[in-house]
Amino acid sequence: DTGVSQDPRHKITKRGQNVTFRCDPISEHNRLYWYRQTLGQGPEFLTYFQNEAQLEKSRLLSDRFSAERPKGSFSTLEIQRTEQGDSAMYLCASSGQYMDTHTQYFGPGTRLTVL
Amino acid sequence: AQTVTQSQPEMSVQEAETVTLSCTYDTSENNYYLFWYKQPPSRQMILVIRQEAYKQQNATENRFSVNFQKAAKSFSLKISDSQLGDTAMYFCALIGTASKLTFGTGTRLQVTL
Repeated sequence: DTGVSQDPRHKITKRGQNVTFRCDPISEHNRLYWYRQTLGQGPEFLTYFQNEAQLEKSRLLSDRFSAERPKGSFSTLEIQRTEQGDSAMYLCASSGQYMDTHTQYFGPGTRLTVL
Repeated sequence: AQTVTQSQPEMSVQEAETVTLSCTYDTSENNYYLFWYKQPPSRQMILVIRQEAYKQQNATENRFSVNFQKAAKSFSLKISDSQLGDTAMYFCALIGTASKLTFGTGTRLQVTL
């Protein structure tokens, strides 16, 4: 069990560019979550997958944001036409299907800086 | 809507001492779970302890224990024998039937020599 991994760990981009982040959950976990954390705040929910199905999306997830989990394993989060307000830490978490389904385990996050 | 409130933005404790971090919450659900997560500086979020709302017994994990007061909707974290490695941001979080965690704003804990 290698834990939740995220790539890249840091991303610096210019306003207007597109960025994509990847999350690999714990291998036996079928649920995957994306959160956004701004400085000095707690994480805020963005979206949730059970297997490959995206079951819930937050109002925070504007049309410029899209998330996928095509084979029910890793997930990608894409932000199109980035804005300075998108600068944040993007956290991925996963949880299991059978036992301890409510406990989410977090990855190290991707820190996005939009210049 | 669910809310989680942490009223202590910062706390400090001396090594080997005991400290208690406060958390209150609000939810209309009967079946929910409460968590404390730890986020060290520039490091990832780590689960510290969890509590099922239907359990009356307070959860404990080594030096960490909770005081869960369901009627008062209070969920405090006690850290005994504080260590320098406990220095971190601590987040209280709640999950109900929906799958998303609702977090508080965090308490920054500094453990000093």
